[in-house]
Amino acid sequence: DAKTTQPNSMESNEEEPVHLPCNHSTISGTDYIHWYRQLPSQGPEYVIHGLTSNVNNRMASLAIAEDRKSSTLILHRATLRDAAVYYCILQGAQKLVFGQGTRLTINP
Amino acid sequence: KAGVTQTPRYLIKTRGQQVTLSCSPISGHRSVSWYQQTPGQGLQFLFEYFSETQRNKGNFPGRFSGRQFSNSRSEMNVSTLELGDSALYLCASSLGGLAGLYEQYFGPGTRLTVT
Repeated sequence: DAKTTQPNSMESNEEEPVHLPCNHSTISGTDYIHWYRQLPSQGPEYVIHGLTSNVNNRMASLAIAEDRKSSTLILHRATLRDAAVYYCILQGAQKLVFGQGTRLTINP
Repeated sequence: KAGVTQTPRYLIKTRGQQVTLSCSPISGHRSVSWYQQTPGQGLQFLFEYFSETQRNKGNFPGRFSGRQFSNSRSEMNVSTLELGDSALYLCASSLGGLAGLYEQYFGPGTRLTVT
């Protein structure tokens, strides 16, 4: 399974943009880049995914490097509710291989 | 649409017993995956079912098994429970088409405690 590398933790302020990086240098051509987040005491929640092009949805944006070896999840205006563990996952089969993720703290 | 439901939400069992957990996917979803979450190992993939067939399996012993019914509902079974099986067991459903194309939707989990 291809692996991803994320910082253990990040901190940001409310209403500011947050850029969460992810390195995946061993990504294969058919792997999709998925982001999930897990709020305290809840199951993981889908955030966004993409293959090659940048993607936007109501929750976030996903910027994918041209060589696909890294990506960045962008939360445009962080709120306290965005405090969670964010997982960057390469999905090439019908399974998600979770790493340790990035624990995002949002300061009021 | 109703979300993924898991029953029971909490369970306490004794070592050596067996347990069955249930998962009802979102209507129309044909793929159901199971994950184990522990503080030490994080989230680990157990197995995935699509149209009643197991398509993927993680690195867990044979004591962990599952099945899927024709209505896409799924059960997982753990036999001969060990203390280390204490965990949050999460079920996720998706449309299940081309690998990686569809997002997964997780249920709230079943908290299993083995004493």
